Amino acid sequence: NAGVTQTPKFRVLKTGQSMTLLCAQDMNHEYMYWYRQDPGMGLRLIHYSVGEGTTAKGEVPDGYNVSRLKKQNFLLGLESAAPSQTSVYFCASSLQDTGEQFFGPGTRLTVL
Amino acid sequence: RKEVEQDPGPFNVPEGATVAFNCTYSNSASQSFFWYRQDCRKEPKLLMSVYSSGNEDGRFTAQLNRASQYISLLIRDSKLSDSATYLCVVNFHSGGYQKVTFGIGTKLQVIP
Repeated sequence: NAGVTQTPKFRVLKTGQSMTLLCAQDMNHEYMYWYRQDPGMGLRLIHYSVGEGTTAKGEVPDGYNVSRLKKQNFLLGLESAAPSQTSVYFCASSLQDTGEQFFGPGTRLTVL
Repeated sequence: RKEVEQDPGPFNVPEGATVAFNCTYSNSASQSFFWYRQDCRKEPKLLMSVYSSGNEDGRFTAQLNRASQYISLLIRDSKLSDSATYLCVVNFHSGGYQKVTFGIGTKLQVIP
């Protein structure tokens, strides 16, 4: 099993460009999450999903959109990238809302 | 007051030492608690869940104090391989709503 995978691993964007980050999990988990991690801020929840076809806002949702069309995939979109979105993005999944979260390896995004 | 507070450290300890970290949380309705470990430039991985009765896993002991709203992690006989950042996680969930809050992490450096 691959666990949680993320693509791409690195990306550099110019301000105003758009992109989609893909997260895939092969553990049949219901719950999936997108976080960003910034120095001195810790991990902050952007959006999450409690099942296929559902999404919900986390702590810092502005400037991001998500979709969960298939249970195993959770996409994070940036419609118009801004320098403030420079960060490391982690995807995670869990079987239950009370349980262990399994993280992907992260995507390092730089917006110039 | 931050929802989850941790001393960022770094804690520099010699091999074989015992070290303890605390994490305080503000939401008294929080329901589940975890310690994650994050190595430099890697994804977080679950170290242990924290139960009301306390729990131990080898050299690691986690405790929850609901009255004072903090959780703790004790590491005995520190190894060089314990060097990492330890993240405290507090989870509140109700129906389809979930609030997962990570602390900024406490950095541990074990010195030969």
